[in-house]
Amino acid sequence: EAGVAQSPRYKIIEKRQSVAFWCNPISGHATLYWYQQILGQGPKLLIQFQNNGVVDDSQLPKDRFSAERLKGVDSTLKIQPAKLEDSAVYLCASSSLEWDSYNEQFFGPGTRLTVL
Amino acid sequence: GQNIDQPTEMTATEGAIVQINCTYQTSGFNGLFWYQQHAGEAPTFLSYNVLDGLEEKGRFSSFLSRSKGYSYLLLKELQMKDSASYLCAVRDSNYQLIWGAGTKLIIKP
Repeated sequence: EAGVAQSPRYKIIEKRQSVAFWCNPISGHATLYWYQQILGQGPKLLIQFQNNGVVDDSQLPKDRFSAERLKGVDSTLKIQPAKLEDSAVYLCASSSLEWDSYNEQFFGPGTRLTVL
Repeated sequence: GQNIDQPTEMTATEGAIVQINCTYQTSGFNGLFWYQQHAGEAPTFLSYNVLDGLEEKGRFSSFLSRSKGYSYLLLKELQMKDSASYLCAVRDSNYQLIWGAGTKLIIKP
């Protein structure tokens, strides 16, 4: 079974520029998550989709961050304009909705963003 | 508010046993997860507890006490490759995962 795919793996931009990340979840997984992980901290949920609907985006800085999952499969996360404090690893994860399963989250390799 | 507490860093010796504790205060409880994260890599699932007691999986075991809001991850026969961060996460009443900051485990020869 193919895992969660993310691209790019690394990105370096200057502050005030824009950047986009892409994620393709495990086939059949209805739920997709975007996390921000700053070095030495646990993942912070930015947004959660179930199919193509938003379940939780309470911690998404909506003045600069946006995300979409138009066809309920892959997703993009955009930052515009970027700030220095956005330097972090952006993790995408997916999980199934099976009632007899742990529904654990499977993570992609992440995108390491550096804002200069 | 919701809170997950774990030690920031622990050191252990190759071949020994180490216990990583996690205490939580969350809005409801629908299971507790342990994930392993090697430096520069994504978290990978280790264990899941939803009922009180011990779950054993090879060299790794995880324990849960819901009444105490407490879990631990027990690693036996430590190997150098076990050097990683270990993340505790609790699924709350809204089925959202609340993550701890992680415990960095350093294994010495």
